Amino acid sequence: AQTVTQSQPEMSVQEAETVTLSCTYDTSESDYYLFWYKQPPSRQMILVIRQEAYKQQNATENRFSVNFQKAAKSFSLKISDSQLGDAAMYFCALHQTGANNLFFGTGTRLTVIP
Amino acid sequence: DGGITQSPKYLFRKEGQNVTLSCEQNLNHDAMYWYRQDPGQGLRLIYYSQIVNDFQKGDIAEGYSVSREKKESFPLTVTSAQKNPTAFYLCASSSAGTEYNEQFFGPGTRLTVL
Repeated sequence: AQTVTQSQPEMSVQEAETVTLSCTYDTSESDYYLFWYKQPPSRQMILVIRQEAYKQQNATENRFSVNFQKAAKSFSLKISDSQLGDAAMYFCALHQTGANNLFFGTGTRLTVIP
Repeated sequence: DGGITQSPKYLFRKEGQNVTLSCEQNLNHDAMYWYRQDPGQGLRLIYYSQIVNDFQKGDIAEGYSVSREKKESFPLTVTSAQKNPTAFYLCASSSAGTEYNEQFFGPGTRLTVL
């Protein structure tokens, strides 16, 4: 069975500082993808970043980067130079190749303090 | 502009009534999904469809029904058999041509049972 765990229900960060959101997962598959989605107050889910399990290099998208530790089954999201618009719920998600859906964690609510 | 639309944004239902949530996409995606979001529980899969006229139950399908008569449309009916339907419902779609199943989400429908 596959599970995704986000152990931080809430996090806060000062504007312009860096914050890291944690995610661990469990899967018996060797081929999978990991995602971070952002859900702002509008509740529209937005893809932030994607990581392929077969790639050792950590994915980066502008101020967002991940620390993918495959052996530890860990997939944390680092947000640098935090902005007020980063305030949102962040969900970690797992997709196993050949499966039909995403498995989501319970989310981390990020507050950005001006 | 390509995207996913959901209607209505807010929906109120009396106990014992069936209601239908609309989901339309113009991304030419083959696969469509319905998720339910409750506080503290992340997103849970209700139903998904990979092709027209075919759909599969997700993790929490009881009390829900769907149809997929057109590629663009995937309506969800919340029946009176659903014991606790008050929740936020998200529709998503993805292209069958990618391995990583990147899903694009609609803006959601908030259903409240009175």
